[in-house]
Parts: sequence; C-alpha cells; structure tokens
Amino acid sequence: RKEVEQDPGPFNVPEGATVAFNCTYSNSASQSFFWYRQDCRKEPKLLMSVYSSGNEDGRFTAQLNRASQYISLLIRDSKLSDSATYLCVVIPGGYNKLIFGAGTRLAVHP
Amino acid sequence: NAGVMQNPRHLVRRRGQEARLRCSPMKGHSHVYWYRQLPEEGLKFMVYLQKENIIDESGMPKERFSAEFPKEGPSILRIQQVVRGDSAAYFCASSPPGSGAKGFYEQYFGPGTRLTVT
Repeated sequence: RKEVEQDPGPFNVPEGATVAFNCTYSNSASQSFFWYRQDCRKEPKLLMSVYSSGNEDGRFTAQLNRASQYISLLIRDSKLSDSATYLCVVIPGGYNKLIFGAGTRLAVHP
Repeated sequence: NAGVMQNPRHLVRRRGQEARLRCSPMKGHSHVYWYRQLPEEGLKFMVYLQKENIIDESGMPKERFSAEFPKEGPSILRIQQVVRGDSAAYFCASSPPGSGAKGFYEQYFGPGTRLTVT
C-alpha cells in the first residue's frame, strides 16, 4: 500500500465550480500534512498546511481527519489559473522528509 | 534573495556515463533535500543532508547513487553508470537551520534538473 494515496483525476471543471480532492495516508503516526501545487514541469510549491481544526485561505479550505487518516482540499469559485496538479504531502515524523502523493490533476475550462 | 538554484536544468547522458547534479540552497539555509520524480509519478524522497553530513539517505538506491553537501559549495547528487530508468526530474529543496527540531520549516524547491538517459 502506498504511504499517501490520491485520485489521479483528471478533474475537468468549468470556471466558478467547486471541486474537492481527497487523500489518505497509511502511517497513523504522521505528524504534519500539507497541500502543494505543481504546474506542468515546474517545481512544487506549498499551497497550505492542513490542521485538524481546518484551515482556510481565500477560496481554499483544507481539512484533516486523523481518525480516518484522511485529508481534503476544497477549491471554491475555480479559476483558470487553478489548473495544476495538487499534491498531498505528509511528514511521517522526525525530520522534514516529505512524503508526496502522486497528485490529482485539475483542469479548469472557460 | 535568490531562490534554490539547480544546474544544469537539462542533462542528457548515454547509458553508462556519470551524471552530476548541483544544488545551491537559499542563502542562510543549511538543510538540503533531494527528490526524484519519475514520469507521471509523484516526488520521491531520496536524501536529506546538512553541511558535511548525510542525515537520512533512506530513499537513495543502494548502488550508483551518492550525495554530498560540502562545507563550501553546492550539494551534489551523483549518479554513476546511468541507465534508462534513471531518466527523471530531480528536485532539490532547502530549509533553514533548526528544521525538524522546532517543527516544520517550509522546504523551498529549486526548478529541477531533467535527466534524460539515451
């Protein structure tokens, strides 16, 4: 079983739509959780951290459910510029070794 | 403040040759990480280094791969006798001193080196 699993998509949505991505992780001792964004053939960039209490940043909301080992990302009012691959990332503990999911591809169309 | 720099950006090697990938961390950062991204896959952790020390190399293949981060100069990821399966994007990231001990410090990624083995 992969350490971090994501639906690869692609999710094809119109501008203005709300879209949700899910991610599960296998190591119950994992300590920190993040969503990164990766544009085609570019480096990944931190989008937001994920907390059990939920975390909102503008149109983006991230949620963590430790009991179910499940992480979510909600994007409201999708923009064309949101088209990218969204990477679920977990730090299992100790050092800052990032464990990446394979990513979920989002394509927002006019 | 320049970001993480990697060179070369593109590298083509024939099977059996050596590949050397360089990473200069952000100014003031003393922690360097290397990740590999195979086509259509997610990034995979390879190695975590501090100046002159390898902290965690659990993601490094057992043979042909080595990494260093000398006191002076960039971090180097070295792949000996490359094979077609080594073709990938190799990303370097850096973070400030104290990363891990005091919680998460964001890792800043470089633009990557795309290695193609022919």
